Amino acid sequence: GDSVTQMEGPVTLSEEAFLTINCTYTATGYPSLFWYVQYPGEGLQLLLKATKADDKGSNKGFEATYRKETTSFHLEKGSVQVSDSAVYFCALGDSSYKLIFGSGTRLLVRP
Amino acid sequence: DVKVTQSSRYLVKRTGEKVFLECVQDMDHENMFWYRQDPGLGLRLIYFSYDVKMKEKGDIPEGYSVSREKKERFSLILESASTNQTSMYLCASKEGGTYQETQYFGPGTRLLVL
Repeated sequence: GDSVTQMEGPVTLSEEAFLTINCTYTATGYPSLFWYVQYPGEGLQLLLKATKADDKGSNKGFEATYRKETTSFHLEKGSVQVSDSAVYFCALGDSSYKLIFGSGTRLLVRP
Repeated sequence: DVKVTQSSRYLVKRTGEKVFLECVQDMDHENMFWYRQDPGLGLRLIYFSYDVKMKEKGDIPEGYSVSREKKERFSLILESASTNQTSMYLCASKEGGTYQETQYFGPGTRLLVL
């Protein structure tokens, strides 16, 4: 079945460092891809999404490009802030109702 | 603004108790979902509903049931709580039936079963 694999955390960075969180997927069709973020004590909120190959999603300085050839949707940010500390989930939508989530990657940004 | 609310942020229950988790959305969405979140496992779908009184099993429905009597409200029921149901429970809703659409999440209920 379809699945999502993302890098294990925690990822610890200093403020203003470059961030990459890797996400790869397995799917039989043409899924949509999402990044959700969970701040401490809160539910998940959509960070960005891409619905077809070569689309780039972007929001709040974060970017991810849907790469069909490498089945990847890596999350990047050029300069992280302390306020970006959270858990990031990569997810795949492959049917009318279901989202398949990766295990989550915790990001810690130090001042 | 989109809003999904859950009845409790924290709950402590005893083994064997019947537990109700309530979720309400104010966006007139057709679809609602219950997930549980466990460390290292991400989110796993328990049940979802695509219309009032309609429900479908997700990946881990055992030990759970759901109820959707009104469009805006989706309840998760643990018929007889067990310690392995200690977890974070997240409710979500989505407007339509396509997989490109965003799911909107509530703040979660952290349940401890003793």
